[in-house]
Amino acid sequence: RKEVEQDPGPFNVPEGATVAFNCTYSNSASQSFFWYRQDCRKEPKLLMSVYSSGNEDGRFTAQLNRASQYISLLIRDSKLSDSATYLCVVNGGFQKLVFGTGTRLLVSP
Amino acid sequence: EAEVAQSPRYKITEKSQAVAFWCDPISGHATLYWYRQILGQGPELLVQFQDESVVDDSQLPKDRFSAERLKGVDSTLKIQPAELGDSAMYLCASKTSITADTQYFGPGTRLTVL
Repeated sequence: RKEVEQDPGPFNVPEGATVAFNCTYSNSASQSFFWYRQDCRKEPKLLMSVYSSGNEDGRFTAQLNRASQYISLLIRDSKLSDSATYLCVVNGGFQKLVFGTGTRLLVSP
Repeated sequence: EAEVAQSPRYKITEKSQAVAFWCDPISGHATLYWYRQILGQGPELLVQFQDESVVDDSQLPKDRFSAERLKGVDSTLKIQPAELGDSAMYLCASKTSITADTQYFGPGTRLTVL
């Protein structure tokens, strides 16, 4: 079993739609969780950290469920510019980040 | 805004040749990482440095890969000899300290081995 698992997609949604991605992780001792965004042929960039209480940044909401060991990302009112790959990232211990394979999002007009 | 610099951005080589990639982290960042990202997958850690010391190189194929950060600033990753399966994006990332949360990635070096 992979340490971090994501549905690779692609998720095809129209502009304005709400879309949600889930991610599961296997290491119950993990303490830090993140969502990174990666545009085609570019480097990953931190989108947001994920806190136990859940957190929101504009149209983006991240949730953490420690009991079930999954993380979610909700994007409301999707924009064309949201088209990218979203990487679920878990701190696997010793400050080592473990990346999922990414979920590809395509927002169409 | 300070950025992580990498060079070259693209490298095409033939198998069995040697290649080297360079990374200059954000000034003052003590922790540096090299990742490999194969198309369609997430980045996988190859090596982690804290200043000039290797903290984790458990995923580095040491028969052909080597990495150094001699003065604790910039770093070089070498592959010798390159194999077809080494074709990937090689990403460098840095952060202020080993306990900091946020890693900043460079633009990467895209390697194609023919």
